[in-house]
Amino acid sequence: ETGVTQSPTHLIKTRGQQVTLRCSSQSGHNTVSWYQQALGQGPQFIFQYYREEENGRGNFPPRFSGLQFPNYSSELNVNALELDDSALYLCASSFPTGGEQISYEQYFGPGTRLTVT
Amino acid sequence: AQSVTQPDIHITVSEGASLELRCNYSYGATPYLFWYVQSPGQGLQLLLKYFSGDTLVQGIKGFEAEFKRSQSSFNLRKPSVHWSDAAEYFCAVEGNKLVFGAGTILRVKS
Repeated sequence: ETGVTQSPTHLIKTRGQQVTLRCSSQSGHNTVSWYQQALGQGPQFIFQYYREEENGRGNFPPRFSGLQFPNYSSELNVNALELDDSALYLCASSFPTGGEQISYEQYFGPGTRLTVT
Repeated sequence: AQSVTQPDIHITVSEGASLELRCNYSYGATPYLFWYVQSPGQGLQLLLKYFSGDTLVQGIKGFEAEFKRSQSSFNLRKPSVHWSDAAEYFCAVEGNKLVFGAGTILRVKS
C-alpha cells in the first residue's frame, strides 16, 4: 500500500509568482485535505476535496485554490505569492467512515517546503 | 468555533521518565480528538484518536490519552520516554475540519 506522496519536496519562488503543489493520496482514499504549517505553528486547514468537489475551506484567500482529479490526486495552487506564504504545505488523505461529521483518520504526506523571497 | 490549546511550548524529560502533554479543546458538540507526532522535516503521524466510548485510548509507540469531557482535555501520556520520542506533538480536534494546537516540542535528555 502506497502512502501519501507530495511533490516537489522543496520549492523557492519569488513574490508575485504562482505555484502548484501536488499530492497523491493513499490507495483507496477519496478525500484530500491541504494544510499550511508556518514555522513554529500547528498546521492550518486550507481546504478539503471529496470526490473532486471542494468540501470545506479554512480562512484562506481565493488565491489559494485546488483541484482533485478522478484518481483522487490533488493540486494546490497559490497565485500572487506573498512572503507570508512561506511554509510547509501538508497534504492528507482519508476515507470517510460515514455520518454528518467529517471525521476520518487522515494520513499525511511529508510536505512541500515553500520559500517565497 | 473549534480551538485547541497546548499550554506547553517545550517540555524536557529524562529518558525513562514519565511524560504528560497537555491539551485543552473547545468545541460545542462531542469532539473527535487526535494526537499527532512530527519529527523534523517529516509529515504528521497519527499516534491515537478518540471518537467515542472508552475515554482512555491506547495508541502506537506506547502512548495513551485520556478524554475528560468535564475538563475539555485530552492529555497524552507515556509511562517511560525513549530518546526516539523527541519530536513535536500536536493535539487536534475535528468538528467540520481538523484544527490543530500550536504543538509541544519534546526534548529527551539522557
